[in-house]
Amino acid sequence: QKEVEQDPGPLSVPEGAIVSLNCTYSNSAFQYFMWYRQYSRKGPELLMYTYSSGNKEDGRFTAQVDKSSKYISLFIRDSQPSDSATYLCAMSAKGFQKLVFGTGTRLLVSP
Amino acid sequence: NAGVTQTPKFQVLKTGQSMTLQCAQDMNHNSMYWYRQDPGMGLRLIYYSASEGTTDKGEVPNGYNVSRLNKREFSLRLESAAPSQTSVYFCASSFTDQPQHFGDGTRLSIL
Repeated sequence: QKEVEQDPGPLSVPEGAIVSLNCTYSNSAFQYFMWYRQYSRKGPELLMYTYSSGNKEDGRFTAQVDKSSKYISLFIRDSQPSDSATYLCAMSAKGFQKLVFGTGTRLLVSP
Repeated sequence: NAGVTQTPKFQVLKTGQSMTLQCAQDMNHNSMYWYRQDPGMGLRLIYYSASEGTTDKGEVPNGYNVSRLNKREFSLRLESAAPSQTSVYFCASSFTDQPQHFGDGTRLSIL
């Protein structure tokens, strides 16, 4: 079993929809949680990061962490075609150095 | 603002050939990393360098060597390439207490 599980998708939604992307993990020591966006043939780009539990909001994006359930989510409001990409979750027990990545969820937002 | 620059962008090798992938960052980051990304496997850490003059193994170091040439540059060497090393290789950098920033990758095929 992988330490971090992420549904590969693709997840197809119409423009304007609210998108929910999720990861589950097995290591209870994880405390740092990140979401990266990766466009085709590009490198991952950091979207948001959180420490421990709770929510964090940045524009149309909201990250949630539920440590009791070992479950993290990224919500995208008013989704746009430009949001079409692969979304990677990443996490670590200590700092930002030794990250464990999910395999990514491919999101397609149609006009 | 270049960020993390990887060269080359594409390369095809024959089994047994050697090659060095180059990475340079202009953000004055102290830590640098090499990952490989394979379908269904996510990003996996090959080696990292927490600071100039130090290198450490990651999850999948076998078949690779690294050199932290100076604070800006971190190279990855394949001494005798094998088809199993066909992958997309990403370099990343960060400050110790900040998330990682990625380059756009090197696509490597080994025949």
